[in-house]
Amino acid sequence: AQSVTQLGSHVSVSEGALVLLRCNYSSSVPPYLFWYVQYPNQGLQLLLKYTSAATLVKGINGFEAEFKKSETSFHLTKPSAHMSDAAEYFCAVSDRNAGKSTFGDGTTLTVKP
Amino acid sequence: NAGVTQTPKFRVLKTGQSMTLLCAQDMNHEYMYWYRQDPGMGLRLIHYSVGEGTTAKGEVPDGYNVSRLKKQNFLLGLESAAPSQTSVYFCASSYPNRVYEQYFGPGTRLTVT
Repeated sequence: AQSVTQLGSHVSVSEGALVLLRCNYSSSVPPYLFWYVQYPNQGLQLLLKYTSAATLVKGINGFEAEFKKSETSFHLTKPSAHMSDAAEYFCAVSDRNAGKSTFGDGTTLTVKP
Repeated sequence: NAGVTQTPKFRVLKTGQSMTLLCAQDMNHEYMYWYRQDPGMGLRLIHYSVGEGTTAKGEVPDGYNVSRLKKQNFLLGLESAAPSQTSVYFCASSYPNRVYEQYFGPGTRLTVT
């Protein structure tokens, strides 16, 4: 069984500030982990992924995430928030053999001018 | 390349009515998925398919049926709609060895009154 917990359903930061969105996972097998972003009235878009290569993963739009096995975490960060980063972000875990993914409940990021 | 398309974009049903949602992808993906998205609950997997002619239950399959008669299409059916099925439905597809990289359609917003 696998699960994902996103800590904080809403995060608000000022433009230019650090973005930190938290994700903890549970998986009985080595997982794939990823972050998706969803803009209003759109589908989800893959932001970045961890597939057991480098533990620090860089994605699009300046985002990155670090896989920490000891903490079962995969937090998403961006050094400097931009207004265009305002969206909903989903962390997800996948059993690499089964083809199924489990998504977290999502975190809405608000960026204040 | 249209990617993943969904038909219709919006629909209002009365309780007890039936309907079929169509998902089509032109990326030759083997795997296809149907999710529902409800406020504060992230995405939940309804059914998925790992190839033409095969389907499997996801996390919340009750009240839905699916069919994958052609590789490029994945249909989601509601035989007798209920208000609890009011949701936004997303279809996604992926390659078998890249299940973390799912491509999402724009969604279908369904309201059941």
